Amino acid sequence: QSALTQPASVSGSPGQSITISCTGSSTDVGGYDYVSWYQQHPGTAPKLIIYDVTKRPSGVSGRFSGSKSGDTASLTISGLQAEDEADYFCCSYTVRATWVFGGGTKLTVL
Amino acid sequence: QIQLQESGPGLVKPSQTLSLTCTVSGDSINSGSFYWSWVRQVPGKGLEWIGNIYNSGSTFYNPSLARRLTVSLDAPRNQFSLRLSSVTAADTAVYYCARIRFLVFDFWGQGSLVTVSS
Repeated sequence: QSALTQPASVSGSPGQSITISCTGSSTDVGGYDYVSWYQQHPGTAPKLIIYDVTKRPSGVSGRFSGSKSGDTASLTISGLQAEDEADYFCCSYTVRATWVFGGGTKLTVL
Repeated sequence: QIQLQESGPGLVKPSQTLSLTCTVSGDSINSGSFYWSWVRQVPGKGLEWIGNIYNSGSTFYNPSLARRLTVSLDAPRNQFSLRLSSVTAADTAVYYCARIRFLVFDFWGQGSLVTVSS
């Protein structure tokens, strides 16, 4: 199974908004509303920040939001802060009862 | 709060078997409808789902690894384990254990770096 496609890097200035895309197919992203997003700071474990496309776990800032259109899911971070600088991964459940991740996007806060 | 911790050798020789254990604390591994999962990350690269085990013992494996993979559960010890046979340098990665709830990886261990080298 192929990894979901994410841009390798994005950047933004403090206070700005950025969006990270995650493109799959009808057998994963497009077929289910089970897309999740994870934030990973260097040397640490991934942290769940969005699940079921749009939902935020308790304790996650409202500056993080998710959406989906067709086979592409998106993560938007508004009001960028220095602490948002990290790697971000998307993940989707698939028709084969497996999970597939994206290749990851490095966010740089300028 | 649930916590997961990986343990096992950090160095494995090519063609041998990689073995890791995940110890769960803060909740019983038998409670609730959870999958217990392994995910790996080649340094500097993306994440790859390896496989899951349900508390009934049912397993689900990544087809690309299934031929070499065994995931097992030790409920009395509140642990689950990974065995990956016939390893090569391509299996060098940080291995994470995680809990899956409602098809989402909600809690993760800190990760264990395993290097395959002679």
